[in-house]
Amino acid sequence: TQLLEQSPQFLSIQEGENLTVYCNSSSVFSSLQWYRQEPGEGPVLLVTVVTGGEVKKLKRLTFQFGDARKDSSLHITAAQPGDTGLYLCAGSLKAAGNKLTFGGGTRVLVKP
Amino acid sequence: DVKVTQSSRYLVKRTGEKVFLECVQDMDHENMFWYRQDPGLGLRLIYFSYDVKMKEKGDIPEGYSVSREKKERFSLILESASTNQTSMYLCASGSYGYTFGSGTRLTVV
Repeated sequence: TQLLEQSPQFLSIQEGENLTVYCNSSSVFSSLQWYRQEPGEGPVLLVTVVTGGEVKKLKRLTFQFGDARKDSSLHITAAQPGDTGLYLCAGSLKAAGNKLTFGGGTRVLVKP
Repeated sequence: DVKVTQSSRYLVKRTGEKVFLECVQDMDHENMFWYRQDPGLGLRLIYFSYDVKMKEKGDIPEGYSVSREKKERFSLILESASTNQTSMYLCASGSYGYTFGSGTRLTVV
């Protein structure tokens, strides 16, 4: 069992549809990050959230950190084929010296 | 543009070989990390380093060692490669937000 559980594992949608990816844990994180990874490349940082209840927007992407800092969601509005990729959440635990723990990832496919 | 550079994108090695994976960062970061990524298992931390000549075991250090002689360079060593070490290896540097290299896809035959 992973410390951070992402759901769903795979999502296939048509261009223009909305989607939400979830990242859940029973642990409290000091911060949480979202990365996107394209095939053959390393993950790229999208956002960091640090305050419970925090909402951040990056163009069509909306990130939310749960009030209790145990969960997060990523919502994409009007998805485009360029949003295709593996989305990873990663949490930082003070007890772990602030090293990042990664979720298993959600693979998103946006079909034109 | 800041960078983490991994020396090889693809490697094929034989079982029992000693394998060196090199990683260089140009951001003057103190922290550097080595992960492996496998389908269904996500990213798992192998080793990390907080400073030159400092190293700490991650979650799956068995069969690996590391070297950090200079701040910008962090090397992962597979002492005697085995087929279960076939994987994508990712190097990262940073503190609260990591910058990753493009990865090395290692196949051990």
